[in-house]
Amino acid sequence: EAGVAQSPRYKIIEKRQSVAFWCNPISGHATLYWYQQILGQGPKLLIQFQNNGVVDDSQLPKDRFSAERLKGVDSTLKIQPAKLEDSAVYLCASSLAGGMNNQPQHFGDGTRLSIL
Amino acid sequence: GENVEQHPSTLSVQEGDSAVIKCTYSDSASNYFPWYKQELGKRPQLIIDIRSNVGEKKDQRIAVTLNKTAKHFSLHITETQPEDSAVYFCAVAGGKLIFGQGTELSVKP
Repeated sequence: EAGVAQSPRYKIIEKRQSVAFWCNPISGHATLYWYQQILGQGPKLLIQFQNNGVVDDSQLPKDRFSAERLKGVDSTLKIQPAKLEDSAVYLCASSLAGGMNNQPQHFGDGTRLSIL
Repeated sequence: GENVEQHPSTLSVQEGDSAVIKCTYSDSASNYFPWYKQELGKRPQLIIDIRSNVGEKKDQRIAVTLNKTAKHFSLHITETQPEDSAVYFCAVAGGKLIFGQGTELSVKP
């Protein structure tokens, strides 16, 4: 089966600019996650969707980060305006619906964001 | 909230030796414990997982043991090979998936 697709793979922007990342989950996976992975650390959950509804966005910096999954499939994560501390890899993951937090999560290759 | 501690942060072994990585967690309601392998510049890959109703699970050279009373679980890799070199992350599901800090495993030929 095709895995989780993400684009772009790399992005370099200056601080205060905006950036958007795209994710296409594994077909049939109703739950989609966005993680931030800072160099040398484990992934940290930013937001979790079940179909097109938000399940958990408690760690999303809502003053600058936003995410949507309008049709319950693809998702977009946006940062506006970017700060230096946003430099990280942004990983998208998906899992089957039902028992959301006990289903194996499968990750995409991520987008490596560098803020100058 | 859930707190996950992972040790050691780095581990170096000779090819053929065994490697053990340990994680502890704080929330006794947690009931799902996956392990991920992440090679440099690559995606985290699920290598094995265990649920709270099982004490041990094995898949070829990889095994995971869970002690719910003590709230810790461990990854065991036997007969290590150079291609096992990577960063390994434990994770705990307690409302959301919380990852450990990672262990950089180096297998020397």
